[in-house]
Amino acid sequence: EAQVTQNPRYLITVTGKKLTVTCSQNMNHEYMSWYRQDPGLGLRQIYYSMNVEVTDKGDVPEGYKVSRKEKRNFPLILESPSPNQTSLYFCASSPGTVSYNEQFFGPGTRLTVL
Amino acid sequence: QKEVEQNSGPLSVPEGAIASLNCTYSDRVSQSFFWYRQYSGKSPELIMSIYSNGDKEDGRFTAQLNKASQYVSLLIRDSQPSDSATYLCAVMSSRWRDDKIIFGKGTRLHILP
Repeated sequence: EAQVTQNPRYLITVTGKKLTVTCSQNMNHEYMSWYRQDPGLGLRQIYYSMNVEVTDKGDVPEGYKVSRKEKRNFPLILESPSPNQTSLYFCASSPGTVSYNEQFFGPGTRLTVL
Repeated sequence: QKEVEQNSGPLSVPEGAIASLNCTYSDRVSQSFFWYRQYSGKSPELIMSIYSNGDKEDGRFTAQLNKASQYVSLLIRDSQPSDSATYLCAVMSSRWRDDKIIFGKGTRLHILP
């Protein structure tokens, strides 16, 4: 089944404890992206990657890191999480440039930072 | 600053009526426009995409684009209770190494049985 998977789906952690949220797609998509969704603020792009070893900042990259060593994986790293990073996170992938391609979203990761 | 604006709603529409969702954007060089539907607690899924001025129809859904007015809309005909969801407008402005997409905050649609 073609899909985008994220792990974990739910995570409660404490301030400053490094964490990684994994994202994997099995559709051989070139483009991958991370978003966070907050009430009243909508869906905001954190980082995106147009191909292996190519990553770029979205609108809210502060406090996050990403890497794209393989086409299928695009992990999101929070080196020192803070409470303002409590949010619902979505990973998405697309066959090519999102200019003309649909994005397929993962199921989401709900993160709480205490 | 690139922005995408939507009325947050909730927009209440009787079952069987036409639901009209609107979106305005600020970046004049925007070239691709998308409507995503998001059910509560679920991830967004694509409903429609539109790239040129005019109307694009797909089943009960029609997307309308007016680049001169920087306005894109989504019409849902014969609204069904299953259409109750949040609708996200997304706008692409492709520049060199700037393949970003901006989402609006979404409009909550409630179809009244």
